[in-house]
Amino acid sequence: DIQVTQSPASLSASVGDRVTITCQASQDISIHLSWHQQKPGKAPKLLIYDASNLETGVPSRFSGSGAGTDFTLTISSLQPEDFATYYCQHYDNLPAFGPGTKVNIK
Amino acid sequence: EVRLVESGGGLVKPGGSLRLSCAASGFIFNTYVMSWVRQAPGKGLEWVASISAGSSYIHYTDSVKGRFSVSRDNAKNSLYLQMDSLRAEDTAVYYCVKALLRSGSFYLFGHWGQGILVTVSS
Repeated sequence: DIQVTQSPASLSASVGDRVTITCQASQDISIHLSWHQQKPGKAPKLLIYDASNLETGVPSRFSGSGAGTDFTLTISSLQPEDFATYYCQHYDNLPAFGPGTKVNIK
Repeated sequence: EVRLVESGGGLVKPGGSLRLSCAASGFIFNTYVMSWVRQAPGKGLEWVASISAGSSYIHYTDSVKGRFSVSRDNAKNSLYLQMDSLRAEDTAVYYCVKALLRSGSFYLFGHWGQGILVTVSS
């Protein structure tokens, strides 16, 4: 089975900061990777799919990149509503989620 | 607007059974793969099961094989998860999830329900 890891596990940042989260797959998954945002007590929400495609309605400050085994989620200018946990997920075969990255207020 | 509403959760004893339901609206239900994903308290997300639009293809994560059964009723726009031989480690919020696209990967999760809590405890 393909595993995915994320780093960091958590980070502290301020409004306006540029934030980068990385995700690594245990083998080549092409671009079959998505990013989901989850706020406390809420369901996850799809942000990005196929590594770099922004889901409809998601602000353009979110972007994704990568292919193969290494991927990145970037928030260009962190907003108050972006404090949440972010999960990467591969769908190359049977799916798996990364352990999550919690973005805290500094 | 896509809407997914789970029901049927609650407290059950180890070894017991529970059936979750998901009522779908806002899209053509019988053309999309549907899945269940769970989240144990304070933990990350775990895929549980998926079922194709016509129920021809069904897949489960290893830890629930032989105990859980996913099904759907396209006439009722509903998805189900029958959970038998429940264990404490099955305690989680269970999410009903719709695939993003009609074609393509089974597991590109596009829309999530609000979730329903299942607690397995004596």
